[in-house]
Amino acid sequence: QKEVEQNSGPLSVPEGAIASLNCTYSDRGSQSFFWYRQYSGKSPELIMSIYSNGDKEDGRFTAQLNKASQYVSLLIRDSQPSDSATYLCAVNDGRTGFQKLVFGTGTRLLVSP
Amino acid sequence: DTGVSQNPRHKITKRGQNVTFRCDPISEHNRLYWYRQTLGQGPEFLTYFQNEAQLEKSRLLSDRFSAERPKGSFSTLEIQRTEQGDSAMYLCASSPGNQPQHFGDGTRLSIL
Repeated sequence: QKEVEQNSGPLSVPEGAIASLNCTYSDRGSQSFFWYRQYSGKSPELIMSIYSNGDKEDGRFTAQLNKASQYVSLLIRDSQPSDSATYLCAVNDGRTGFQKLVFGTGTRLLVSP
Repeated sequence: DTGVSQNPRHKITKRGQNVTFRCDPISEHNRLYWYRQTLGQGPEFLTYFQNEAQLEKSRLLSDRFSAERPKGSFSTLEIQRTEQGDSAMYLCASSPGNQPQHFGDGTRLSIL
């Protein structure tokens, strides 16, 4: 069973702080890694994708990937109350030739004003 | 780019009834995926289409579930003889080739 593990939270941070979200995965064949944001009652929204070891920055978001440690993280700088949501880590199933995604259960982030 | 469209947004039905959901992917996205999400869990893969061909089905997809994508455009997901355990959010996603998937707003199914 391929697994993606996330701390369910909630992770509480004050407005303006850095939020750090972590994810580990079990499938060493995974090559594609994604972070989705999901507001309550809404569908997942793609925030970041990362495919190579290292950091990838997009605005206030930085994704970090370490394939050797099977670890993916998402940093949110200058956190805003509107960032309060559940963040889902997803990795592709390395067995398949397409992007069959395996999701974690998500980390709930709460940003207080 | 109008996004992935799913209908209906919410379906309430009695146990034992059949239901059908529709997904219209982003124009020109040749890949279409169905996922199911229950409360407190991440989405779980159900099935995948490349154009009109259904290339993989999860073991989660029992014989009561069937999906089609005629002509490689919109897709339908049908559940026959619904059960309480089918209550969930059914999500459709699409992508152009092997690119990141974009999700629709989902169809929430409630079984009475």
